Amino acid sequence: GQNIDQPTEMTATEGAIVQINCTYQTSGFNGLFWYQQHAGEAPTFLSYNVLDGLEEKGRFSSFLSRSKGYSYLLLKELQMKDSASYLCAPYNDYKLSFGAGTTVTVRA
Amino acid sequence: KAGVTQTPRYLIKTRGQQVTLSCSPISGHRSVSWYQQTPGQGLQFLFEYFSETQRNKGNFPGRFSGRQFSNSRSEMNVSTLELGDSALYLCASSKPGQGNTEAFFGQGTRLTVV
Repeated sequence: GQNIDQPTEMTATEGAIVQINCTYQTSGFNGLFWYQQHAGEAPTFLSYNVLDGLEEKGRFSSFLSRSKGYSYLLLKELQMKDSASYLCAPYNDYKLSFGAGTTVTVRA
Repeated sequence: KAGVTQTPRYLIKTRGQQVTLSCSPISGHRSVSWYQQTPGQGLQFLFEYFSETQRNKGNFPGRFSGRQFSNSRSEMNVSTLELGDSALYLCASSKPGQGNTEAFFGQGTRLTVV
């Protein structure tokens, strides 16, 4: 089975840094995706980690520890447009398994 | 380069009817997967196709089916619609044979069953 845990909500100030943690327990594992989803829109691909370590892409970074079943998404220099839901999704056997997502609210 | 295209964007159907949704993947992407998103259950995997073969299927009743064509376009069908089938149906496509380093979603089809 799949068990994916993320915080439900996080609030931060514009310009700040926020770290969204994700722990997972899956029956198999080939990698982990992070997506951003604005209300009423489709998920947007942010990152994919298959090996342990940090992947950096501009203001967004994602970290993976396979042995600990742990990942985090780091959002730097927060902007108002970053207010959205962030979805952690382990990948295995040709499918993504999604957590409930973390709603991030950025305040001015 | 065009993204993943889903049609139609919105659909209203009556209980008991059937519906077919279409997904055209990004050019060169041969894997297509489908997901259902509802407020209560979140994003749930329906099925995945590669080279016209279903490689995995989620825990949905047999009323949900799909197929993929030789040009990688995919369709999903839901028969005997129920009110609970109202949801956003999302299609994702990914690059072939590269361990799924990217998987992009289409804008989705919002299905309302009345």
